Parts: sequence; structure tokens; C-alpha cells
Amino acid sequence: AQTVTQSQPEMSVQEAETVTLSCTYDTSESDYYLFWYKQPPSRQMILVIRQEAYKQQNATENRFSVNFQKAAKSFSLKISDSQLGDAAMYFCAYRSEGSQGGSEKLVFGKGTKLTVNP
Amino acid sequence: GAGVSQTPSNKVTEKGKYVELRCDPISGHTALYWYRQSLGQGPEFLIYFQGTGAADDSGLPNDRFFAVRPEGSVSTLKIQRTERGDSAVYLCASSLNRLYEQYFGPGTRLTVT
Repeated sequence: AQTVTQSQPEMSVQEAETVTLSCTYDTSESDYYLFWYKQPPSRQMILVIRQEAYKQQNATENRFSVNFQKAAKSFSLKISDSQLGDAAMYFCAYRSEGSQGGSEKLVFGKGTKLTVNP
Repeated sequence: GAGVSQTPSNKVTEKGKYVELRCDPISGHTALYWYRQSLGQGPEFLIYFQGTGAADDSGLPNDRFFAVRPEGSVSTLKIQRTERGDSAVYLCASSLNRLYEQYFGPGTRLTVT
């Protein structure tokens, strides 16, 4: 079974600065997807960024980028120019590639609470 | 367009009671997932529907939990003889099919007293 580990329960950053959230995972599969989700106090899970394991290039979405190290099974999220609205819980998630015909459920880490200080 | 909606937003019930939680997926999404998020934890998978059938219910914790999706759209998660340990946020997600992005609803916070 796949597992996802987020070793930082809480992180803080000054507004306009850069912060990196860590995530490691364990899997025996070679093809899969990795995600970062944001969950504000409203509870709505919002997709921030996704990475296909077969792609060597790191995904970027505006101020959000990832550092995907497949051999190390590491998938960190970098938030640049942090804004007050970035404050939330951030969850790293794993999903199988889908060729085995399963449910392709998401497997989540425990999350990192990000505080942005003005 | 409308996103995934869940009702009620909050539910307080007494130990031993029966509860139903409802999920309205995005129109046209054939895949529907239920997750449970306990305090301080990430969401954990409960059950997956493809159309009307439960294709994977391996995450249901015991036989007190049951879910249906009779017409392939709205789904109901049913919990019998609730226990205090069932207190959590129950999240629903839908996707076009199992290989596409999952869109989440705002969740139902269940409190069992």
C-alpha cells in the first residue's frame, strides 16, 4: 500500500517571502500522480498543483512550484511571494496511474498548517 | 458551473442514532468518492462509485457504514448506530471518470455526542 508522509505539522512564512513544504511517499509503482491540495478553514479542498511521475520537468502554477525527486520519492511544494490568502492546511496526495483498473483513490498525508505573517 | 455540494453542513447526533449524509456531484461526473477526515489528519478513503455501483468499498471501517448512489448522481452515506469515534468531517469528491481530477465538496462535519 502507498503511504504519504508530511514531516512538518506547522510552518510559518512572512508575507512576500518563500516557503517550502516537504512530502515523501512510498510506493512500488513506477507510474503515478502526485498532488498538493490546499484546505482553508472553509474545509473545501482545492487542487494547487499536480505532477505526473513520468514527467521529469517539475510542475509550476504561477507562484507554486514543486521539486519532484522520483528516486528519492520526494515531492516538495514551494510557494513564492507568499500572500495572506495562502494561509491554510496543505495536503500532499498520491494517486495510482490507473492502468490496473482500480478506484484511483487519493492517499493523503497528515498535512502541514501554513501561517502567513503580515 | 455548480461545484460539489454536501448537506447538511453540520450534523450533531446522539450516540446510537442513525444519520444520512448527502452528496451532489458535479453534473456529468460518473466517479464519486467519499473520504473521512478526522481531526488533525488527512482525508481517508471510504468508498468509490463508478456510475451506480460501488466499485471499491475497501475503506469502509465496518458494516455500520453504507453508501448508495441509485441513479448515478446523488450519493448518500449512511451510518447506523453512530459512535463517538465516528465524529469527523465527511468529504465527497467527484470526477469525470476515475482518471481525472477529483473536485471536492465542502464536507459535512459530524459530531456524535
